[in-house]
Amino acid sequence: EVQLVESGGGLVKPGGSLRLSCAASGFSFNNAWMNWVRQAPGKALEWVGRSKSKSEGGTTDYAAPVKGRFTISRGDSKNTLFLQMNSLKTEDTAVYYCTTPLTGTPGYWGRGTLVTVSS
Amino acid sequence: NFMLTQPHSVSESPGKTVTISCTGSSGSVASNYVQWYQQRPGSAPTTVIYEDKQRPSGVPDRFSGSIDSSSNSASLTISGLKTEDEADYYCQSYDSSNHVVFGGGTKLTVL
Repeated sequence: EVQLVESGGGLVKPGGSLRLSCAASGFSFNNAWMNWVRQAPGKALEWVGRSKSKSEGGTTDYAAPVKGRFTISRGDSKNTLFLQMNSLKTEDTAVYYCTTPLTGTPGYWGRGTLVTVSS
Repeated sequence: NFMLTQPHSVSESPGKTVTISCTGSSGSVASNYVQWYQQRPGSAPTTVIYEDKQRPSGVPDRFSGSIDSSSNSASLTISGLKTEDEADYYCQSYDSSNHVVFGGGTKLTVL
């Protein structure tokens, strides 16, 4: 069974940093593309960024609002995806989801972790 | 930038059929797969349609997806509406760089 479990959310002051984790199981994490998606309160889903599998270059891409502040990395030996968030702004307040498309499947989502940026 | 546009809200009566559209801003919606997600308040999104028209196991066949190249749009159709179908629905596809793109979401009210 595929499982994605996010952790690391919490309350942080503007300008601060936070590191989210996503523990993956039930599929070949090393060969999977992984995404971070967020949802601000009462707002639509918003793509944050992506990590390609190492076999396909392992590159990362980011949405414009977070580029230069957020960094996605993966610990393939521990099947974990990370999202390092620096220089946080109040508009980064959202539930952050870890997702994977997995070709030929419906795709999978975690339950999300809440990040609140407030003074 | 590639964008997907959905109606903000739709409403229909139980037992009826409703269709939610998802229109691409440029290029061809048919070039990349479209997924549809259902999200109930306080819960994570769940997939109701993937790869344009595939239904995950457990999703009733009242849910169907289609692509219309002439209008550059995808559609989610729900027939035999039930009150439990009331939720937010999001379409999702990819841009030319394979970045994930979401529609703005549609609030479905079943009354």
